Amino acid sequence: KNEVEQSPQNLTAQEGEFITINCSYSVGISALHWLQQHPGGGIVSLFMLSSGKKKHGRLIATINIQEKHSSLHITASHPRDSAVYICAVRRETSGSRLTFGEGTQLTVNP
Amino acid sequence: SAVISQKPSRDICQRGTSLTIQCQVDSQVTMMFWYRQQPGQSLTLIATANQGSEATYESGFVIDKFPISRPNLTFSTLTVSNMSPEDSSIYLCSVFSPVLAGLHSGANVLTFGAGSRLTVL
Repeated sequence: KNEVEQSPQNLTAQEGEFITINCSYSVGISALHWLQQHPGGGIVSLFMLSSGKKKHGRLIATINIQEKHSSLHITASHPRDSAVYICAVRRETSGSRLTFGEGTQLTVNP
Repeated sequence: SAVISQKPSRDICQRGTSLTIQCQVDSQVTMMFWYRQQPGQSLTLIATANQGSEATYESGFVIDKFPISRPNLTFSTLTVSNMSPEDSSIYLCSVFSPVLAGLHSGANVLTFGAGSRLTVL
């Protein structure tokens, strides 16, 4: 069993839909990152969370430390949101090293 | 936060040859991380590069295959040696860098290079 698991693996939505991507982890962490990878391969950091909730534009990320679970929400989705979304955790015992989920491929159709 | 210039962006190489990937950061950072992303998979950490000491390799990765240099706090190289088709991947470098101003001043932001897409024939 992977230490970081994401669901769903693939997600197809219509433009304007509300999207949720989930991340569960099984280890103690100091922080959780949500990353976005576009088809060209470049990776952008969206959020770093250690508790609570963060919002940036149409993106919202939440984390529940007790339940070892985080969600990434996209409101009013748009085709340009189509990308792979990756959850990564910094384990309490691993310093700055990250453990990555398998990623969620999101496709938003016009 | 930091900006990373990574090159080459892509290359096609012959089996048995070696390729060196460079990452230049526009600010000084203590640690640089090198990742591999095989087709259809997520990122796997190869090694952590520290200035002034040998890189720390993850299980399954060895210095002879993936030698790393870190001559100063803004630059690192990863060499993929004696390549085979199984080495075809995207290779990425990454750093944590502090946000120097604004709302998130003091926080560390995760920044990636644009990646080097390597195809080995």
